[in-house]
Amino acid sequence: QQQVKQSPQSLIVQKGGISIINCAYENTAFDYFPWYQQFPGKGPALLIAIRPDVSEKKEGRFTISFNKSAKQFSLHIMDSQPGDSATYFCAAGLDRGSTLGRLYFGRGTQLTVWP
Amino acid sequence: DTGVSQNPRHKITKRGQNVTFRCDPISEHNRLYWYRQTLGQGPEFLTYFQNEAQLEKSRLLSDRFSAERPKGSFSTLEIQRTEQGDSAMYLCASSTDTGYTFGSGTRLTVV
Repeated sequence: QQQVKQSPQSLIVQKGGISIINCAYENTAFDYFPWYQQFPGKGPALLIAIRPDVSEKKEGRFTISFNKSAKQFSLHIMDSQPGDSATYFCAAGLDRGSTLGRLYFGRGTQLTVWP
Repeated sequence: DTGVSQNPRHKITKRGQNVTFRCDPISEHNRLYWYRQTLGQGPEFLTYFQNEAQLEKSRLLSDRFSAERPKGSFSTLEIQRTEQGDSAMYLCASSTDTGYTFGSGTRLTVV
């Protein structure tokens, strides 16, 4: 059973537009929800993360929206730029007293931002 | 160098051979993780360590796979009797409470 489901699989957005990627999780015990950005040939890089005590977190052009009752969270990229073209992964896991355990990743979204 | 370092970056091996990968985490991070990523998929958890103790292993980690972190610093991942299905990117990460830092991975191709 896939613990984290991510959609869409691919996304094409015009420069300056808003990119929205959605994830849903199964385990209600999860309490740590990060988003990663990955460029070809590189490892994933942490973009932004949220814990369930808040419903939204914003860092620059990136915002996570979190809906605990629906077990869903999403990434919004405002003013999307060609340099944002990458694969984005959501993940979920347990934050046990500020020590992170294993993460369950979604299958990824290939974002293309065209000029 | 303040990042997670993985060596080698690429490895091509014949089916049936053994391979070993190395990961050097960020020095102040006491947790170290191994993940496997195949094309078009998200990383899949293999195992993780806190210091030298291996705390969890995935069922993906068959008897042919073994990981060690002997002194709580660097870690090695060994695959014995490699199979074509082992071809993947093997990612190492280390963490604090703020999140994982991944290395650039070791790409294994089994021919």
